[in-house]
Amino acid sequence: QVHLVGSGGGVVHPGGSLRLSCAASGFTFSDYPMHWVRQAPGKGLDWVAIISYDGSDRNYADSVKGRFTISRDNSKNTLYLEMNSLTIDDTAVYYCTREGIRDAFDVWGQGTLVTVSS
Amino acid sequence: SFVLTQAPSVSVAPGKTARISCGENNIGSKSVHWYQQKAGQAPALVISYDSDRPSGIPERFSGSNSGNTATLTISGVEAGDEADYYCQVWDPRGDHPVFGGGTHLTVL
Repeated sequence: QVHLVGSGGGVVHPGGSLRLSCAASGFTFSDYPMHWVRQAPGKGLDWVAIISYDGSDRNYADSVKGRFTISRDNSKNTLYLEMNSLTIDDTAVYYCTREGIRDAFDVWGQGTLVTVSS
Repeated sequence: SFVLTQAPSVSVAPGKTARISCGENNIGSKSVHWYQQKAGQAPALVISYDSDRPSGIPERFSGSNSGNTATLTISGVEAGDEADYYCQVWDPRGDHPVFGGGTHLTVL
């Protein structure tokens, strides 16, 4: 069964850092580009970052560029999101998601909550 | 920048047909994906490439895309269809996805 399981969320002060992880199983992780998408409380979906299947290419939303780093370890079937200089506006549920064969997000993790609060 | 416009809410009685739209200039030239997000859950793909249903999605769900509007149609709406629905395309440069603001479907 295809699964993505996110972890690493929590409460952090403004200016702090956090690293999210997303463990993949049930498919060949190294074949797929992967993304992080977030959702602030009561709001819609907001794309955060993409990493290519082999990690050679990355792209970020303007709102996180220079503060967040997406990475992957294909030997561990794991996706990461390193988040630095966090602000209150980064408070959200963060979902990892697979970009499937037809460019749609066909598998989603359960989401991990990041709360930035003083 | 590319902005996808969705109505905030749609209401429909059980058994009727719900139509959820996603608007943008010339969206008909793009491929649109649709996601369903039930309360407290992660999103799930229900329609890809305008009108393709992934495995396990009921035939009641269908999609179309032409001109300036893409539409997700849910026939014979059931209480379990109550959810937020998001459309998604790729930015014209193809380097990042864009989501619509979402439509909440209420089943009366």
